[in-house]
Amino acid sequence: GQQLNQSPQSMFIQEGEDVSMNCTSSSIFNTWLWYKQDPGEGPVLLIALYKAGELTSNGRLTAQFGITRKDSFLNISASIPSDVGIYFCGQAGTALIFGKGTTLSVSS
Amino acid sequence: DAGVIQSPRHEVTEMGQEVTLRCKPISGHDYLFWYRQTMMRGLELLIYFNNNVPIDDSGMPEDRFSAKMPNASFSTLKIQPSEPRDSAVYFCASSRGGNYEQFFGPGTRLTVL
Repeated sequence: GQQLNQSPQSMFIQEGEDVSMNCTSSSIFNTWLWYKQDPGEGPVLLIALYKAGELTSNGRLTAQFGITRKDSFLNISASIPSDVGIYFCGQAGTALIFGKGTTLSVSS
Repeated sequence: DAGVIQSPRHEVTEMGQEVTLRCKPISGHDYLFWYRQTMMRGLELLIYFNNNVPIDDSGMPEDRFSAKMPNASFSTLKIQPSEPRDSAVYFCASSRGGNYEQFFGPGTRLTVL
């Protein structure tokens, strides 16, 4: 079946540092999504990418849809403590396929 | 506006008991999804509905699991009989047709002893 490989599995950084995480797929899809899950809550959509090569920003977050359509990355600049959580990549048809997530810890 | 509402938020039960999880989607959304989250397997889609009709239940682990959507504002996920390996966080999500942004509820943390 389709698989999404997300890395790294976890990250421990200092406040103010930049963060980068990525996701690769065994299949080609037309949409990449990045979600964030705060502790005790459900995932919330951060960024959606619909076109190969597309680069999209949302505040301090930037995500890109890889040219091969099999990968995507998410960057967070100047991290702050509220960035803590689990970040999921996902590929969408009507239903979502999620990666296993990157757990981000930020120390101040 | 109210988001997706799930109840209960926490459920602790004993093996063999029936468990019913409830979900109220966002008004006007025509797709409803049930997911299960565990450390080992991450977020997995169990089943989804379109206009109250089950479309794909291939993610439902076995016959002990069943889901219903009797109307546009309510869905249930039932496990009977429950087993310890069913312990997980169960999420309900809804979306408007053709829109990939799924809105997730806060989840139900199920513990089966």
